[in-house]
Amino acid sequence: KAGVTQTPRYLIKTRGQQVTLSCSPISGHRSVSWYQQTPGQGLQFLFEYFSETQRNKGNFPGRFSGRQFSNSRSEMNVSTLELGDSALYLCASSSGGRGDEQYFGPGTRLTVT
Amino acid sequence: DQQVKQNSPSLSVQEGRISILNCDYTNSMFDYFLWYKKYPAEGPTFLISISSIKDKNEDGRFTVFLNKSAKHLSLHIVPSQPGDSAVYFCAASARTGANNLFFGTGTRLTVIP
Repeated sequence: KAGVTQTPRYLIKTRGQQVTLSCSPISGHRSVSWYQQTPGQGLQFLFEYFSETQRNKGNFPGRFSGRQFSNSRSEMNVSTLELGDSALYLCASSSGGRGDEQYFGPGTRLTVT
Repeated sequence: DQQVKQNSPSLSVQEGRISILNCDYTNSMFDYFLWYKKYPAEGPTFLISISSIKDKNEDGRFTVFLNKSAKHLSLHIVPSQPGDSAVYFCAASARTGANNLFFGTGTRLTVIP
């Protein structure tokens, strides 16, 4: 079974720009969660999508948004980028039940200059 | 507000000895705890979990202990091997029904051959 894939793996953007990251979950998984990893904060939950609906949301500003398509693939968008948005963005897929193991992708390393 | 804390950013252990990684949490609603291992340039991979109805769970060389009254859990690796060198994240899930995980900031384990 193919794992979780994320594209692109690396990205450099300028302050004020916007960016879209993509995540393809494991086949059959309906839940996709997004996390931001920074050195000082560890992994922080952004949001979760299940069957094309946002089911849960973390404490991030509205500049961070996402969506999920009918094939469970998910995209995350960050508008008006700030220097502090530089981070590793990880997505995780699962079957969607509470306690189901979440499988993480390798992440997208975003650098904002 | 970091609800899951790993106060030791790094730990070095000799090969063959025991590695003990610690984690504290503040939210009494957490009832499911997980440990993830992360190598550079890869996403976190699930290692072991424990439900709050148990105080110990064992899987091969890995054992997780949960002390609910102290809101503390620990991961024991015996015997430690050089391949165990990685960053270990503690994570917790609340019984609200949501699927998101709250992560600690990680502990970098180095096993010295």
